Amino acid sequence: NAGVTQTPKFRILKIGQSMTLQCAQDMNHNYMYWYRQDPGMGLKLIYYSVGAGITDKGEVPNGYNVSRSTTEDFPLRLELAAPSQTSVYFCASSSEGGYSNQPQHFGDGTRLSIL
Amino acid sequence: AQSVTQPDIHITVSEGASLELRCNYSYGATPYLFWYVQSPGQGLQLLLKYFSGDTLVQGIKGFEAEFKRSQSSFNLRKPSVHWSDAAEYFCAVGAEGNEKLTFGTGTRLTIIP
Repeated sequence: NAGVTQTPKFRILKIGQSMTLQCAQDMNHNYMYWYRQDPGMGLKLIYYSVGAGITDKGEVPNGYNVSRSTTEDFPLRLELAAPSQTSVYFCASSSEGGYSNQPQHFGDGTRLSIL
Repeated sequence: AQSVTQPDIHITVSEGASLELRCNYSYGATPYLFWYVQSPGQGLQLLLKYFSGDTLVQGIKGFEAEFKRSQSSFNLRKPSVHWSDAAEYFCAVGAEGNEKLTFGTGTRLTIIP
């Protein structure tokens, strides 16, 4: 009963380093999303995908890249880490898009600090 | 485009008291509305949703919410809060033709003994 799994849970990076945040879901959902959560700012959508091979930008895509080669996985890549990317990152998946009554299922988040 | 506002950043309630968290949305047609809860260090969990039909919807953990079209609101209520309800609560709205949900900025709930 895994749902949405995010790894790692915590990470500290130095400025300029790169890393990939992993997200996997076992519910065969077509829709997957990456959000960042900053204190008092709610959730901001970074990128989303409506199916394997299809991705699109959200509100705050700068500094990030994604790929969706399989239905299950939706990794988020930071190429040149900057202090402004210190945040908590959440991955979510859904069987349908936002225009439906199907909810998004969230992972437990990755807490990332850039020093 | 749709939008959602949660006017209260932080609410403090005594254990056993009633609770109402406000959510106002902006959208021209009937929206899809959700309430999520986030416990410390956790991801978001769905409390309840409104799609159509009865405007009073029941959710998990004893929560309910009422859709009021005339007020563009979808307020979350609970008759008697428990200490375990301390968390952050997010309202979200989905709209026809839009692949994404729009989340509010959240309301942090503190429970005092």
